[in-house]
Amino acid sequence: AQSVTQLGSHVSVSEGALVLLRCNYSSSVPPYLFWYVQYPNQGLQLLLKYTTGATLVKGINGFEAEFKKSETSFHLTKPSAHMSDAAEYFCAVGKAAGNKLTFGGGTRVLVKP
Amino acid sequence: GAVVSQHPSRVICKSGTSVKIECRSLDFQATTMFWYRQFPKQSLMLMATSNEGSKATYEQGVEKDKFLINHASLTLSTLTVTSAHPEDSSFYICSASPLATSTDTQYFGPGTRLTVL
Repeated sequence: AQSVTQLGSHVSVSEGALVLLRCNYSSSVPPYLFWYVQYPNQGLQLLLKYTTGATLVKGINGFEAEFKKSETSFHLTKPSAHMSDAAEYFCAVGKAAGNKLTFGGGTRVLVKP
Repeated sequence: GAVVSQHPSRVICKSGTSVKIECRSLDFQATTMFWYRQFPKQSLMLMATSNEGSKATYEQGVEKDKFLINHASLTLSTLTVTSAHPEDSSFYICSASPLATSTDTQYFGPGTRLTVL
């Protein structure tokens, strides 16, 4: 079975500050890892994904994440927060291409001016 | 990019009635679509995997007779909530993966908010 743990259900950052969202996973097979963002009353938008290859993955809106197998982590970062980054962020793990995803509990990001 | 639509976006119904939610992949074909449920301030929970031309695979604890899934074509899956009750009120989200095997991304619909009175 796969599982995802997101540390911190809420994160508050100042505009311009570093955003760090933590995600740890467990998987019996090499994982496919994803970060999605959800704005209120909307579906999920893919930020970035890791499948194979380079462990540092760059996504949209200035976000990036690093896959660390030894730490079973896939933390999401953005160097400088923008007000528009306020949203809910979900880390997810899958077993293969097009396979069902297991989601973490989500982290709500609040950006203070 | 790949777009998934859902209809309706919001529905209010009376207890005991049935509600059908459509999930369409607009610019790609999808052998598999997924249905998720999201309660307020919570994460997404997979309900079932919808396979075109075959029966859906339900997750443990999800009543297949209550949540009927039909995947009639490579671009359309429907979820019918039968005999809806207030506890079925939730945000239902579908996702789909393009048919091409090299694609490993699921694209999500905008969600359908169901309120059962």
